[in-house]
Amino acid sequence: QSALTQPASVSGSPGQSITISCTGTSSDVGGYNYVSWYQQHPGKAPKLMVYDVSNRPSGVSNRFSGSKSGNTASLTISGLQAEDEADYYCSSYRSSTTYVFGTGTKVTVL
Amino acid sequence: QVQLQESGPGLVKPSETLSLTCTISGYSISSNYFWGWVRQPPGKGLEWIGNIYHSGTTYYNPSLKSRVTILVDTSKNQFSLKLSSVTAADTAVYYCMKYTNSGMDVWGQGATVTVSS
Repeated sequence: QSALTQPASVSGSPGQSITISCTGTSSDVGGYNYVSWYQQHPGKAPKLMVYDVSNRPSGVSNRFSGSKSGNTASLTISGLQAEDEADYYCSSYRSSTTYVFGTGTKVTVL
Repeated sequence: QVQLQESGPGLVKPSETLSLTCTISGYSISSNYFWGWVRQPPGKGLEWIGNIYHSGTTYYNPSLKSRVTILVDTSKNQFSLKLSSVTAADTAVYYCMKYTNSGMDVWGQGATVTVSS
């Protein structure tokens, strides 16, 4: 089962905005609005940051926003802060009631 | 609030069966939602293993389907993972999680499982 494609790393300075892409196919990202994003700090469990492409769970900062165009979903972090330095994974529903994660992106705050 | 806790052996021999249990607190597994497992090999990304609905219906990663079984035990408010014929490639941190139509919104802290003789 092939993973969704994400850039290995993205970096930005404090206060800047960065965008992480997540590319799949019409059988997953492009076919359903069930894309979610997870933040993972070293040694910790993942944390849900965005679900259903662009919705934020209660308690997640509005600096995190999601979108989708065709087979590519994106997570934008605005007003980058030191605490945002972490690994980020996208996930999508895939046909046949399965799910798939992205390859992961390491975000570095310069 | 819902909390999840994984438990099980940290060391499994090659060709044997890996068994983990996830204990739920703060919610009855019989009520609703999907419950599932995700793993992360050392230094690598997340891999979805499978989900089970509270009714017992299961969905598995096609690449692991022949070796995976996820079960619900409503009497203990737990669900479990069994992965047979393990190899070193199955060494990973295994997370249990709760899945709703809002994503995988609750996670356990993770259980490290090493496959080695």
